[in-house]
Amino acid sequence: NAGVMQNPRHLVRRRGQEARLRCSPMKGHSHVYWYRQLPEEGLKFMVYLQKENIIDESGMPKERFSAEFPKEGPSILRIQQVVRGDSAAYFCASSPLGDPTNQPQHFGDGTRLSIL
Amino acid sequence: SQQGEEDPQALSIQEGENATMNCSYKTSINNLQWYRQNSGRGLVHLILIRSNEREKHSGRLRVTLDTSKKSSSLLITASRAADTASYFCATDSYSGAGSYQLTFGKGTKLSVIP
Repeated sequence: NAGVMQNPRHLVRRRGQEARLRCSPMKGHSHVYWYRQLPEEGLKFMVYLQKENIIDESGMPKERFSAEFPKEGPSILRIQQVVRGDSAAYFCASSPLGDPTNQPQHFGDGTRLSIL
Repeated sequence: SQQGEEDPQALSIQEGENATMNCSYKTSINNLQWYRQNSGRGLVHLILIRSNEREKHSGRLRVTLDTSKKSSSLLITASRAADTASYFCATDSYSGAGSYQLTFGKGTKLSVIP
């Protein structure tokens, strides 16, 4: 059973460009979470999605950032007009169908975004 | 501010010794979870303890939770070099925005010397 798959593993963008990060949850998982991690820091929650629905985006900046989890295909975290401060590791996690409370989350290996 | 804060920030021990890491948090929680992260990798779930539980074991891991002190500890017994990693506690609590959120601390970097 494949784990959470994120791609690309590394992404380099110049300031002002767009970054698109992809996440395929584990098979049978319907909850997807995105986190950001700065060096030597813990993970910071960004957004929680179910298929075709954003459930909680309280951790995501209001501008330039958006996320989706379409009916078909992976979840996408999109960052428009990137700035140097967006450089970080972005992690996706998923949890099984059903009540997400008291469920562990399963993490991908992350996308390391570097802004030149 | 951080919900979960681990202590110590870094810990270096000899193989075979026990490692204890602590976590303190500020608000009420639904559960508390411990994760491990190897360098350059994602987080691996270790153990989940619910707010009405006081202690939980899994293999060489022992987790305690004291909700009156808002603190938890992770004990790794008979450590191995392969236990070298960063360890994070995460509190699961209602965000007020429609869901429960995991809030992570900054982690404890554990080094086990062979």
